[in-house]
Amino acid sequence: GQNIDQPTEMTATEGAIVQINCTYQTSGFNGLFWYQQHAGEAPTFLSYNVLDGLEEKGRFSSFLSRSKGYSYLLLKELQMKDSASYLCAVRVMGNDYKLSFGAGTTVTVRA
Amino acid sequence: GAGVSQTPSNKVTEKGKYVELRCDPISGHTALYWYRQSLGQGPEFLIYFQGTGAADDSGLPNDRFFAVRPEGSVSTLKIQRTERGDSAVYLCASSLGRQETQYFGPGTRLLVL
Repeated sequence: GQNIDQPTEMTATEGAIVQINCTYQTSGFNGLFWYQQHAGEAPTFLSYNVLDGLEEKGRFSSFLSRSKGYSYLLLKELQMKDSASYLCAVRVMGNDYKLSFGAGTTVTVRA
Repeated sequence: GAGVSQTPSNKVTEKGKYVELRCDPISGHTALYWYRQSLGQGPEFLIYFQGTGAADDSGLPNDRFFAVRPEGSVSTLKIQRTERGDSAVYLCASSLGRQETQYFGPGTRLLVL
C-alpha cells in the first residue's frame, strides 16, 4: 500500500492560518485529494491536485509537489466551524478508483 | 440533488449474527465504493463496483464479507457471523466514473457486542 503521513492533531486560533502537511510514498502516483470530516459525519471533498502547484478555492488552498511526495492544505481566516478532521488521500495508476487515506489530522479552532 | 444515503445509521448486533448495510448512491453515478473506518483512522477501501459488477473486491477482509449491486444502483454490504473486530463505521461513496471525485455518505456505525 501507500505510506501516507499526516500530523495527528493541530490547534489554531480563530482568524488565523493553519497548514496541514501530508507526505506520501507511492509508485504510479495519479492524484491527491483532501477531504474534511466533522465528527460523526461523512467526509466531504475539498480539493484535488494531480499537477505540481497551488490550487486555491476560497479560504482553502492545496499544494502539491510530486517530486517530493508532499502536499499541504492551507486553511485561512479560520472559523470555529473549521474544527474537524482533514484527510489526505492518494490514488495510483492502474487502481485509479481506489483512494488510500492517511489517518487524518484533527484541527481544533479556539476562540 | 440528494447525496449518498446509507441505512441504518447505527446498528448494534451480537457476535455471530448476520447484518446488512444499505447504500443509495447519487443518481446517475455508475461507480460505487465501500470503505471501513475505525476510530482515529482514515477510511480503508473494501470494494469497488462499476455498474452491477464488483470490479475490485480485494479490500474485503475475509469471506464473511460480501457486497452486491444487482441493478447498478443500490448496494448492500453483507457481513456473516459478525465478530467484535468488525465494529467500525462503514462508509459508502459514489462517483460519476472511476476517476471522478468520490462523494461519501454519512456511514453506518456498526457495533458488535
